Amino acid sequence: QQQVKQSPQSLIVQKGGISIINCAYENTAFDYFPWYQQFPGKGPALLIAIRPDVSEKKEGRFTISFNKSAKQFSLHIMDSQPGDSATYFCAAASHNTGTASKLTFGTGTRLQVTL
Amino acid sequence: DGGITQSPKYLFRKEGQNVTLSCEQNLNHDAMYWYRQDPGQGLRLIYYSQIVNDFQKGDIAEGYSVSREKKESFPLTVTSAQKNPTAFYLCASSTLAGTQYFGPGTRLLVL
Repeated sequence: QQQVKQSPQSLIVQKGGISIINCAYENTAFDYFPWYQQFPGKGPALLIAIRPDVSEKKEGRFTISFNKSAKQFSLHIMDSQPGDSATYFCAAASHNTGTASKLTFGTGTRLQVTL
Repeated sequence: DGGITQSPKYLFRKEGQNVTLSCEQNLNHDAMYWYRQDPGQGLRLIYYSQIVNDFQKGDIAEGYSVSREKKESFPLTVTSAQKNPTAFYLCASSTLAGTQYFGPGTRLLVL
């Protein structure tokens, strides 16, 4: 079964620190790697996504690093803020033009940013 | 105001009862999806649809059924065959091969 393994399960970071969440995948056909942010009782919201033709993508305080040979990718949150406290999910899909993309999700990381 | 709506926010099911969760989108997306989320687990795909009157099973389709009679709507029925239905159910939509956007979810509880 296709899997995406995510770690750590939970993470506590001080305000201003760097939060790092890691994911690893097995299926080499995956070519789309989004990260979603979810607050309690809400639906996930897309945070940032990357394709394997680049090794890094940055949007504001959020950066995805991608290592194709190791089949790993990670989310870095710089200058973490209490408002970043949420559950983060990595996901992966094989994107084929003209068809729906079936996302395979990691199990999530609960991030708590303390004052 | 464009987006995805799910109703109800909370739903209670009695043993042996079928219940239907609503999902509507006005984003003109071709594809729609249903996921189940359990505590400590990621989202798992139940069913998805790429076009009206067509849908495909996901990883955990047993005990669920769907229909896609209109592009905007993709209701999910949790049947009595689903023995452990308590979960948070999320609907999503996307353009074909595009980013998936999620609705606010429906929490299903068993009485």
